[in-house]
Amino acid sequence: KQEVTQIPAALSVPEGENLVLNCSFTDSAIYNLQWFRQDPGKGLTSLLLIQSSQREQTSGRLNASLDKSSGRSTLYIAASQPGDSATYLCAAPYSGGGADGLTFGKGTHLIIQP
Amino acid sequence: NAGVTQTPKFRVLKTGQSMTLLCAQDMNHEYMYWYRQDPGMGLRLIHYSVGEGTTAKGEVPDGYNVSRLKKQNFLLGLESAAPSQTSVYFCASSPGYSAGIQETQYFGPGTRLLVL
Repeated sequence: KQEVTQIPAALSVPEGENLVLNCSFTDSAIYNLQWFRQDPGKGLTSLLLIQSSQREQTSGRLNASLDKSSGRSTLYIAASQPGDSATYLCAAPYSGGGADGLTFGKGTHLIIQP
Repeated sequence: NAGVTQTPKFRVLKTGQSMTLLCAQDMNHEYMYWYRQDPGMGLRLIHYSVGEGTTAKGEVPDGYNVSRLKKQNFLLGLESAAPSQTSVYFCASSPGYSAGIQETQYFGPGTRLLVL
């Protein structure tokens, strides 16, 4: 059974700092790994999806890396802004692949101080 | 293009009552999913569907039933609600695969359910 762990559970940093969120997963036979953002009381928004054949994916100030062999992924946020404050969730395929849903970490609650 | 919508947004039930949560998507996606989100537990997969007329169990299916009679709709039913089913329920949809690559999931805004 796939298990996803995120560290740290919470993070508070001043605006402008670069930061790294960590995700680890137990079943490395994954087709992809995803990062989502969740604002309070809202649904999830997909940020980045990294295919197993890729090592990293970039979107604006966000960069996600994937190391299947070590079972780890990181989300790098450059030049953080108060609008980046949210909970960031890492998700891997529920049973290693296919369309059978996602297994989520418990998230990192990020606060960017103005 | 509304994306994924969920009805209702909030509901209070008494123990033993039944209800149906409706998820609708207008993106012509093949795959649809139901998750529940609880404090300290993260999101967990309840049921999913890979196409009209198909359903499958996820991680926490007990106490729930689902139906996918139309491609655009995925219904989640609680036959006899229990306080342990108090949660926020999220529906998601996905195109599935494109050129052999799995696409991301698009989430609805959630339904908050309180069972007393």
